[in-house]
Amino acid sequence: AQTVTQSQPEMSVQEAETVTLSCTYDTSESDYYLFWYKQPPSRQMILVIRQEAYKQQNATENRFSVNFQKAAKSFSLKISDSQLGDAAMYFCAYGANDMRFGAGTRLTVKP
Amino acid sequence: ETGVTQTPRHLVMGMTNKKSLKCEQHLGHNAMYWYKQSAKKPLELMFVYNFKEQTENNSVPSRFSPECPNSSHLFLHLHTLQPEDSALYLCASSFLPPSAGNQPQHFGDGTRLSIL
Repeated sequence: AQTVTQSQPEMSVQEAETVTLSCTYDTSESDYYLFWYKQPPSRQMILVIRQEAYKQQNATENRFSVNFQKAAKSFSLKISDSQLGDAAMYFCAYGANDMRFGAGTRLTVKP
Repeated sequence: ETGVTQTPRHLVMGMTNKKSLKCEQHLGHNAMYWYKQSAKKPLELMFVYNFKEQTENNSVPSRFSPECPNSSHLFLHLHTLQPEDSALYLCASSFLPPSAGNQPQHFGDGTRLSIL
């Protein structure tokens, strides 16, 4: 079974600084997708960024970028110029035949 | 507003009650999902519906009964629940060609369920 591991239950970053959230996964599939979702206190899960495993180029969405290391099965999320609104739970997800989520990392942004 | 609406937002019920959670999407998606989110645990996929047909049931106890009357609506009927069923129940929808894992899922705000 595919598993997704987020080893950092909590992270903290100073406003305007950069933070990296870690995610590793286990799979025997060669074709799959990886996602980062954000869940603010409003509870709504919002897609932040998506990466196709067959693409070597790391995905980027404005201040959010990923470091995808397929051989290492690692998919970290980098948030640059952190803003107060970035404070939330962040979930890493793996998708092939279905979607599997990690346990989440709670990000706090200090003003 | 993500296009996925869940009602109610909060629900408190006794173990002998019967209630239903409702999910509605107007995104034209053909797949809908129920997830259970408990504190400090990964999201647990409960059910998947593809074109109104249930394609996945992850060993969910029978006290949870899903219903998908059409591709826009999804229900989760609850009866004789246990205290450990208290959690946030999230509904999601997506396109599903050909598998569930390659399309972003759009989530509702969830229903916070508390079992007394």
